[in-house]
Amino acid sequence: GAVVSQHPSWVICKSGTSVKIECRSLDFQATTMFWYRQFPKQSLMLMATSNEGSKATYEQGVEKDKFLINHASLTLSTLTVTSAHPEDSSFYICSAPGTTRGYNEQFFGPGTRLTVL
Amino acid sequence: AQSVTQLGSHVSVSEGALVLLRCNYSSSVPPYLFWYVQYPNQGLQLLLKYTSAATLVKGINGFEAEFKKSETSFHLTKPSAHMSDAAEYFCAVTPGAAGSNYKLTFGKGTLLTVNP
Repeated sequence: GAVVSQHPSWVICKSGTSVKIECRSLDFQATTMFWYRQFPKQSLMLMATSNEGSKATYEQGVEKDKFLINHASLTLSTLTVTSAHPEDSSFYICSAPGTTRGYNEQFFGPGTRLTVL
Repeated sequence: AQSVTQLGSHVSVSEGALVLLRCNYSSSVPPYLFWYVQYPNQGLQLLLKYTSAATLVKGINGFEAEFKKSETSFHLTKPSAHMSDAAEYFCAVTPGAAGSNYKLTFGKGTLLTVNP
């Protein structure tokens, strides 16, 4: 089946530094990937849609300059949290759409736990 | 526009008892509906999905859900709970085949605890 990986699985950084999170589709190509943010005991909130070869589409209220998204290839999207602050601490999950027996489905990565000190 | 409402942020059952997690949706186009499970500090795993075929959908781990258009519901059930079912469950909706952009809208989730 389709597999999506994320790296790193967890990261701790100091306030003011930038952190890059990778999302890879391992056995399929994805022209679109999605980035979600999940606060403790809450649901997933879509942050942005990553489009291969073009600019990402951000959801309302998400700071484009803070959360930089690059979709450089058909199997890799990266999310960079710039000048991270403690309030950026969260669980970040990516997903990539594919098809299973002709039906749309999203395949989720295992998530990245970001802690900003 | 789409939305999902999960009734009950926390459901507690005894091992062996029936599990019922409720999900109601709103969609301006025929929807695809999904149930996902999330274990602590992990991503989401698909339990089952409705994609306009059979209204009773069977998924993994003994779960099933029934799409009821008249009630705009997609409740998740399992006849007999296991301890390993303890997790967070999310219902999600996306536009169906026509005009689908793959975007998922999630409910707020229901935490299922299973008591021995």
